[in-house]
Amino acid sequence: AQSVTQLGSHVSVSEGALVLLRCNYSSSVPPYLFWYVQYPNQGLQLLLKYTSAATLVKGINGFEAEFKKSETSFHLTKPSAHMSDAAEYFCAVSGLGSGNTGKLIFGQGTTLQVKP
Amino acid sequence: EPEVTQTPSHQVTQMGQEVILRCVPISNHLYFYWYRQILGQKVEFLVSFYNNEISEKSEIFDDQFSVERPDGSNFTLKIRSTKLEDSAMYFCASSNGQGQGTQYFGPGTRLLVL
Repeated sequence: AQSVTQLGSHVSVSEGALVLLRCNYSSSVPPYLFWYVQYPNQGLQLLLKYTSAATLVKGINGFEAEFKKSETSFHLTKPSAHMSDAAEYFCAVSGLGSGNTGKLIFGQGTTLQVKP
Repeated sequence: EPEVTQTPSHQVTQMGQEVILRCVPISNHLYFYWYRQILGQKVEFLVSFYNNEISEKSEIFDDQFSVERPDGSNFTLKIRSTKLEDSAMYFCASSNGQGQGTQYFGPGTRLLVL
């Protein structure tokens, strides 16, 4: 079984500050991990994904995430927040292995607020 | 850039009525999904569809739900007799590969059941 936990439903940072959004996963098979962003009244857009290649994954808009198997974590970071980063962020896991249909299991989401 | 589209963007219906939510996946994609997000809750998997059949469904996807790919472009979700608790945002997604394939999401249909 797979699950995802995002610590902190709301995160507030100042413009220019470091963004850190936390995600921990549970998976009985090697996972694929994803971060999606949802802007108001829009669908989910892929920020980045981990698929068992490099553990440090770079995505769009300056975001990156590091897969740490020992900590079962896949935290999302950005060195300097921009006002346009304000959105809802979802971590998701999909599993490798026979019978894997690609379904995504999502975390609860984290709302990022960026203050001027 | 190709994108997933969904219609309608909003739908209001009476409890017990049938609704059909429509999606046009990206044209060369082979894997299709429906998810839903009840207000204030997480995005939940409903069903995956490949090769003209359901490949996996969640506990939510009971007999009231069905999916269909009636032609080469549309992918539909039907709810036969809507309940109040079906009120949610419904997202369609498509992918060109299982597992590590990126799922591209549509903008969603907001369904309100009164």
